[in-house]
Amino acid sequence: AQKITQTQPGMFVQEKEAVTLDCTYDTSDPSYGLFWYKQPSSGEMIFLIYQGSYDQQNATEGRYSLNFQKARKSANLVISASQLGDSAMYFCAMREGDSGGGADGLTFGKGTHLIIQP
Amino acid sequence: DAGVIQSPRHEVTEMGQEVTLRCKPISGHDYLFWYRQTMMRGLELLIYFNNNVPIDDSGMPEDRFSAKMPNASFSTLKIQPSEPRDSAVYFCASRGGRFLSTDTQYFGPGTRLTVL
Repeated sequence: AQKITQTQPGMFVQEKEAVTLDCTYDTSDPSYGLFWYKQPSSGEMIFLIYQGSYDQQNATEGRYSLNFQKARKSANLVISASQLGDSAMYFCAMREGDSGGGADGLTFGKGTHLIIQP
Repeated sequence: DAGVIQSPRHEVTEMGQEVTLRCKPISGHDYLFWYRQTMMRGLELLIYFNNNVPIDDSGMPEDRFSAKMPNASFSTLKIQPSEPRDSAVYFCASRGGRFLSTDTQYFGPGTRLTVL
C-alpha cells in the first residue's frame, strides 16, 4: 500500500485563485512529520512547509498553509492567491517516527503538476 | 549560507563506465541522504548517513551502487559499472537534527545522469 497518495496528477488554475493540492498518508506510527516540496521545471526541490503529527495548529508559511486533518490522515497544501511562478510539481512527503527506531528518510508521493494560467 | 552542493550537475556516460556523484551537505548538518528520481519510480531513498556512518542502505538497488561519507562535509555515490537504467536525477539532501521538530531535509540541485 502506498504511504503517500496524491490523487491529482495535474491541475490547471487561474492566476490569483486559491489552490488546494490533496495528500493522504498511511502510517501506524503516532509520531510523524509531513512535508511539502515544490519542484519547478529547473529541477530543484524546494521545501515549502512542515507539519508535525503532534502540532495542534495547522502550519502556515506565507501564502502556503497546510490543512491537517489527522483523523482523516490528510495533509492538503493550500496556496492562496496563486501566481504564475507557482507553476511546478508539488510533492507531499512523510517521515515516520521520532524515537531511535524511526525511519529517517522521506517517503514521497508521486506529485501533482500544477499549472497557473494567466 | 551555502545550501547543499552537488557535482557534477549533468553527467553523460557510456554503459559500463564508472560514475561518481559528489555532495557537500550544509555545514553543521549531521544527516545526509541520497535520493533518486525517475519517471517510473518517482523519488526514492537510496541510502542515508548519520555522523558519517551509513545507517540504512536498503534502498540501494544493486551491488553496483556504493556510497561513502569520509568526513562531515563530503559524500560520494558511485555506480560501477553503469547501465542505461541508472539514468535518473540523483539528489543529495541534508538535515540538522534527529527529532521531528528539526526534521526538514534540504535538497541539493541534483545530478542528472544519462547512461548511453
